[in-house]
Amino acid sequence: AQSVTQPDIHITVSEGASLELRCNYSYGATPYLFWYVQSPGQGLQLLLKYFSGDTLVQGIKGFEAEFKRSQSSFNLRKPSVHWSDAAEYFCAVGARGGSYIPTFGRGTSLIVHP
Amino acid sequence: DTGVSQNPRHKITKRGQNVTFRCDPISEHNRLYWYRQTLGQGPEFLTYFQNEAQLEKSRLLSDRFSAERPKGSFSTLEIQRTEQGDSAMYLCASSSGTGNNEKLFFGSGTQLSVL
Repeated sequence: AQSVTQPDIHITVSEGASLELRCNYSYGATPYLFWYVQSPGQGLQLLLKYFSGDTLVQGIKGFEAEFKRSQSSFNLRKPSVHWSDAAEYFCAVGARGGSYIPTFGRGTSLIVHP
Repeated sequence: DTGVSQNPRHKITKRGQNVTFRCDPISEHNRLYWYRQTLGQGPEFLTYFQNEAQLEKSRLLSDRFSAERPKGSFSTLEIQRTEQGDSAMYLCASSSGTGNNEKLFFGSGTQLSVL
């Protein structure tokens, strides 16, 4: 069965600073990989996904993530954080074949200081 | 496209009572998912439907939980004889397409508090 580890429960950055959120997955083959964002009172919103091809994936809101098979990682990055990026970020993994039914990590809470 | 709608937004109930939540997916989305999210945790998969067929259920879905999707449109999730451990946010998502083309859209959830 697949699983996801997000080692950082909280990350604090200053507005304008760069950001990297870590994600490691466990799956027997090449998985589908996702990053979602959840703001208070809002539903989960897909930021980006990796299915195949280019291992550097561009998403919405200026986010990108890089799939590294050798490290079983899919870290999320943003070069310059805005105060509105403060939210909960979830990495998810899905199995190939049929509906992929994402398995989520526990999430990383991003705090942005002015 | 009005998004995935979940009702009620909040539900407070006493232990032992039955509760039912409703999810209205995006029109024409053939897949519908239920997840549960507790404080400080990521969403955990409960079950999913393709049209009206319930294709997979998690071990988390005990006998007290039942989900239906009559006619392949809206879905209901019922919890019988609620327990305090059932307190959580219940999320619904819908999707269409397969593989690379599939994208899940989540509702805002129903927050259940069992007293």
